[in-house]
Amino acid sequence: NAGVTQTPKFRILKIGQSMTLQCTQDMNHNYMYWYRQDPGMGLKLIYYSVGAGITDKGEVPNGYNVSRSTTEDFPLRLELAAPSQTSVYFCASRGTSGGAWTQYFGPGTRLTVL
Amino acid sequence: EDKVVQSPLSLVVHEGDTVTLNCSYEVTNFRSLLWYKQEKKAPTFLFMLTSSGIEKKSGRLSSILDKKELFSILNITATQTGDSAVYLCAVYLAFNTGTASKLTFGTGTRLQVTL
Repeated sequence: NAGVTQTPKFRILKIGQSMTLQCTQDMNHNYMYWYRQDPGMGLKLIYYSVGAGITDKGEVPNGYNVSRSTTEDFPLRLELAAPSQTSVYFCASRGTSGGAWTQYFGPGTRLTVL
Repeated sequence: EDKVVQSPLSLVVHEGDTVTLNCSYEVTNFRSLLWYKQEKKAPTFLFMLTSSGIEKKSGRLSSILDKKELFSILNITATQTGDSAVYLCAVYLAFNTGTASKLTFGTGTRLQVTL
């Protein structure tokens, strides 16, 4: 049981390039989330999904896209990278454990856009 | 706009001290409040609080919620250097007509415990 895994761990992009951040969970959770965390700040919700085939925007969705074709995978796509997207990206999934709606976080992807 | 505010922003204490971290919130459709510990990686879950006045404890850590005054505190007694981390407070609230819930995070309190 690996929990939530993310790849890559680090990436440097040039302005205008595209990339996909991968997220996979093996806990059969329906809810999955993408957050970004800027230095010294809390986490901001980018997109979330309540199940395969269903996604919706969070607080800061501009410049990103997601898809959820399976329960396990929730990739985040950056189409035209901008310096403002330099951040650490966390994927999370939620189940119900002991009555608590615990969100399990992946290890994060540190993205730099130059 | 939903808001979660943590104080202090940072704190330096000596090993063995007791610390209290604060979290206040102004949100609509509150469901519960969570505390996370974040070292140099992903946040790890500490507590979830849904009801007022019921203390949750885990070893030297404890937390309580006041839904009338809209705040929570996280206490750490007999601090150790391993407690050094950013402590994040987050509030679960209903989102998008209640079809889902989301976490809104505070900016965190950075705790440093020195020898």
